[in-house]
Amino acid sequence: KAGVTQTPRYLIKTRGQQVTLSCSPISGHRSVSWYQQTPGQGLQFLFEYFSETQRNKGNFPGRFSGRQFSNSRSEMNVSTLELGDSALYLCASWDRGETQYFGPGTRLLVL
Amino acid sequence: DQQVKQNSPSLSVQEGRISILNCDYTNSMFDYFLWYKKYPAEGPTFLISISSIKDKNEDGRFTVFLNKSAKHLSLHIVPSQPGDSAVYFCAAKGLMNYGGSQGNLIFGKGTKLSVKP
Repeated sequence: KAGVTQTPRYLIKTRGQQVTLSCSPISGHRSVSWYQQTPGQGLQFLFEYFSETQRNKGNFPGRFSGRQFSNSRSEMNVSTLELGDSALYLCASWDRGETQYFGPGTRLLVL
Repeated sequence: DQQVKQNSPSLSVQEGRISILNCDYTNSMFDYFLWYKKYPAEGPTFLISISSIKDKNEDGRFTVFLNKSAKHLSLHIVPSQPGDSAVYFCAAKGLMNYGGSQGNLIFGKGTKLSVKP
């Protein structure tokens, strides 16, 4: 099976812009979670989706949003980018089991 | 408030010896723990996990031990190899909230393991 894929892998934006990141889960996986990794805060949970519904949300401002499509693919959006949004954004997918499998991430740099 | 702590930012071990990575947690309701290995600019790779009903789980060179009374788990790598050099993250599965969510892993800050030939 192919693993979790994320696009794009690298992105450079300027402050105030918005960005959309995409995640395709492992085939058959219906749950997707997003995480942000920064040097200072480590890996932090953003949100979780199952069957097109957001089930859980981490402690991030409303500028961070996401959605899931009927084929389980997911997107996350960050509006009005700030310098502090520079990070590695990771997507993970899983099915009924407990183990989440991660994609390679999207490296976002905000200038 | 950090719920999952990895107090050693780095660890250096000689090839062939045992590597022991430690992790402490604060919430006794956590019921599932995972270890991930991560290289820079890549996603974490799942290594091994353990349920709170067990105290040990083994997979090849990797063994995870769970001490619930001490709220402590450890990852043992035997024998250590230079290819094991990476950052290791301990994670706890978030508690089920209303609606049955289980998708929020809570990560420690990681321990950078260096295995020297």
